[in-house]
Amino acid sequence: DVQLVESGGGLVKPGESLRLSCVASGFSFSHFGMNWVRQAPGSGLEWVSSISAGSSHSYYADSVKGRFTISRDNDKNSLFLQMDSLTDEDTAIYYCAKDFRASSSWNAFHVWGQGTLLTVSS
Amino acid sequence: SYELTQPPSVSVSPGQSASITCSGDKLGDKYISWYQQKPGQSPVLVIHEDTKRPTGIPERFSASNSGNTATLTIRGTQSMDEADYYCQAWDSTTGVFGGGTRLTVL
Repeated sequence: DVQLVESGGGLVKPGESLRLSCVASGFSFSHFGMNWVRQAPGSGLEWVSSISAGSSHSYYADSVKGRFTISRDNDKNSLFLQMDSLTDEDTAIYYCAKDFRASSSWNAFHVWGQGTLLTVSS
Repeated sequence: SYELTQPPSVSVSPGQSASITCSGDKLGDKYISWYQQKPGQSPVLVIHEDTKRPTGIPERFSASNSGNTATLTIRGTQSMDEADYYCQAWDSTTGVFGGGTRLTVL
């Protein structure tokens, strides 16, 4: 079975940094683009960032551009999100999600992890 | 920035058909995906590439996309279909979600 397991969430103060991780299993991780999507409490889904299978391309929502960095380690089947200069508006559940199609762009988000909660509060 | 607009809520009686719309400028020129999210759970992809159902999604879920509007239709709606539904598209290199529609089966 395809599985995505996020970790790294927690409580941080405004201005601090945090790194989220997502470990994948059950599919050829290195062949698929990966994504981060977040959901603030009681709110809808917000796309955050995407990275291509080979890490050659990465994209960010305007709300996180310049503060967040997406990366991956295909040898360890892992996806990361480095988050700097956090604000309370970053408080959300962060999901990692796998592209539907291998080696393709602008896919649907096929499989989602269970999410990890980030709370930014002083 | 590109926007996708969904009605906040839709109600349907059990066994009837429910339609949830998603509107955006020239939306028919883009691929739309639809996601179902039940309370406390992660989203589930129910439609991709406008009309395609992933493996395991019941046939009662169907969709269309033309002009400025995409529509998710659930035939023979069941109580288990009660959830939030989100449309999603790509605007160039930016992912965009609609605001979500709460489907109530009553």
